[in-house]
Amino acid sequence: DTGVSQNPRHKITKRGQNVTFRCDPISEHNRLYWYRQTLGQGPEFLTYFQNEAQLEKSRLLSDRFSAERPKGSFSTLEIQRTEQGDSAMYLCASSPPGGSGRWEAYVGTDTQYFGPGTRLTVL
Amino acid sequence: AQKVTQAQTEISVVEKEDVTLDCVYETRDTTYYLFWYKQPPSGELVFLIRRNSFDEQNEISGRYSWNFQKSTSSFNFTITASQVVDSAVYFCALSDTYTGNQFYFGTGTSLTVIP
Repeated sequence: DTGVSQNPRHKITKRGQNVTFRCDPISEHNRLYWYRQTLGQGPEFLTYFQNEAQLEKSRLLSDRFSAERPKGSFSTLEIQRTEQGDSAMYLCASSPPGGSGRWEAYVGTDTQYFGPGTRLTVL
Repeated sequence: AQKVTQAQTEISVVEKEDVTLDCVYETRDTTYYLFWYKQPPSGELVFLIRRNSFDEQNEISGRYSWNFQKSTSSFNFTITASQVVDSAVYFCALSDTYTGNQFYFGTGTSLTVIP
């Protein structure tokens, strides 16, 4: 399987517990993204890595959320002291290195390929 | 500010009918990309098409076609001769030089194709 993989696919936890999700991007994709999707909405950007560097973070990413990509390959997203409002689908996406042209390298808008997501339910 | 509007929340069509999904976007940038993704019941977002702001040529791929009009800030998606397997939620997304590497998604259009 050469697509983006995410584990676990489903997670049920009690309020106040910590949870950690894992994302394995497509090999050779150096860019990795996390999104959150609630029912009836489109995905909302959380954070972005280029290799191991976390380059962008959304205001949605409160201090209870932390993401890492220690070796520039897989990434983890941890939520501490979960709240019921954290219940959502957490999506991971990856994209290849930017194109050789100035425009693509700067904007970095290569197509993002998504994994199947981790559905979190906080009771 | 960047914004993507998909005004159609739900659409139902009978199999073999044509259906058009609307997408209207807002951006202050002159350089941007637009995308369409499909999200079947399994949940995984599947990439369909990418179009940059300098390329207004419409595209056809099998039963799918896309109509990009900068004058109306629209990037509409048409499925011809719809099939039951087309039933899914379809998302339009925008990325520009201000948003950098994040995509702004619309709220999606849920398409149901009735056999």
